[in-house]
Parts: sequence; structure tokens; C-alpha cells
Amino acid sequence: KQEVTQIPAALSVPEGENLVLNCSFTDSAIYNLQWFRQDPGKGLTSLLLIQSSQREQTSGRLNASLDKSSGRSTLYIAASQPGDSATYLCAVPISSGSARQLTFGSGTQLTVLP
Amino acid sequence: DGGITQSPKYLFRKEGQNVTLSCEQNLNHDAMYWYRQDPGQGLRLIYYSQIVNDFQKGDIAEGYSVSREKKESFPLTVTSAQKNPTAFYLCASDMGQISNQPQHFGDGTRLSIL
Repeated sequence: KQEVTQIPAALSVPEGENLVLNCSFTDSAIYNLQWFRQDPGKGLTSLLLIQSSQREQTSGRLNASLDKSSGRSTLYIAASQPGDSATYLCAVPISSGSARQLTFGSGTQLTVLP
Repeated sequence: DGGITQSPKYLFRKEGQNVTLSCEQNLNHDAMYWYRQDPGQGLRLIYYSQIVNDFQKGDIAEGYSVSREKKESFPLTVTSAQKNPTAFYLCASDMGQISNQPQHFGDGTRLSIL
């Protein structure tokens, strides 16, 4: 059964710092990996989806990398801002027919201090 | 704008009572999902549906029921058999096939026991 782990569980950094969030998964037979952001009391917002054939995906100050062979993904946030404070979750799908069940990590709670 | 609407935002359940959480999407997505989130934990899949009038159990389906009578709607009923229903419930949807399109989420319903 696929298991997803995110380290660290919480992270606090000063504004302007570059940072890396980590995600590891046990079964490398994934179609893609998705990074989400969750603000307190809110739903999930998709940040980046990196395909199994890709090694990187970029959106603005965010860069996600994927190494299937080692079962790892990283989310790099450049020049962090207080507005980046949120919980970041990674998820991988386990295809079942035509639906894609997602398996989630527990998230990294990020606080960017002004 | 297209999106997923969950209602109500907050819900309270009395002992022995069934309650129904609403989820509506106007994204023309084929597949819909219900997840449960407990504090400090990742999301866990309750039920999912690939097409109208069809649905499958996820990892924690006991005490829950769903229906999919319309493509746009996927209501979740929390029955009295669910002994620990207090959680944040999230509905999601996507294209359903093995694709590289992200899964979209609603803003959630927070359920508490009176």
C-alpha cells in the first residue's frame, strides 16, 4: 500500500528565505505527484502537478522536482513571503479504473515570519 | 467561475442522527471524491464515483453513504453508525481518467457532535 511521508511537520523561516519541503513515497509506480496548499479552515488549492515523465515543474516562485527511482519529491519556494504561510501537502494517485484515488502526506505547516 | 461548492460550511450532529453534506461541481468532471481530514493528519478517502449511478468505497467507508444521481452532485451522508464523525470533510473532482489534470477541491464542511 502506498504511503506518503512529509518532513518536516512544521517549519518556521524569516521572510525572504529560500526553503525546501520534502515528500517521500513508498511505491514508485506513480502517474504523477501533486502539491497542494491548504490555508486554515479551507479546502486544498492545487499548486503544481508533476508528471511521472518529468523531473521538474515550475510556477512562479515554486519549483517541484520528482525522483521516482528514489521515491522523493521536493517543493522549492524562493524568496518566501508571509503570504506563503500555510500547510503544504503532497499526494500521489493510485489509479483504479478511471478514477484516481489520492494518497496524501500529513503535510508541512509553514510559517513565514515578517 | 467553475468550481466545487460544499454546504453547509459548519454542521452539528446530535447522537443517533444522520446528516447529509452537499457537494456540487460545475467543472463537467466525471469523477468525484469525498475525503475526511482529522487534525494533524492527511486526507483519507471515504468514497469515490467514476460515473453517474456508480460509486466505490474508499479506505474508511464504514458509517458513511453516498449517491451519484447527477453528474454535478455527490452528497455524503454521515450515519449514526459513524461513532467518531467530528472532522473536516472535503469533496473533490477531476476528469477521472488516467490524466495529468489536477484534482480540484471544495472549501470543506466542518462537522461536530453536539
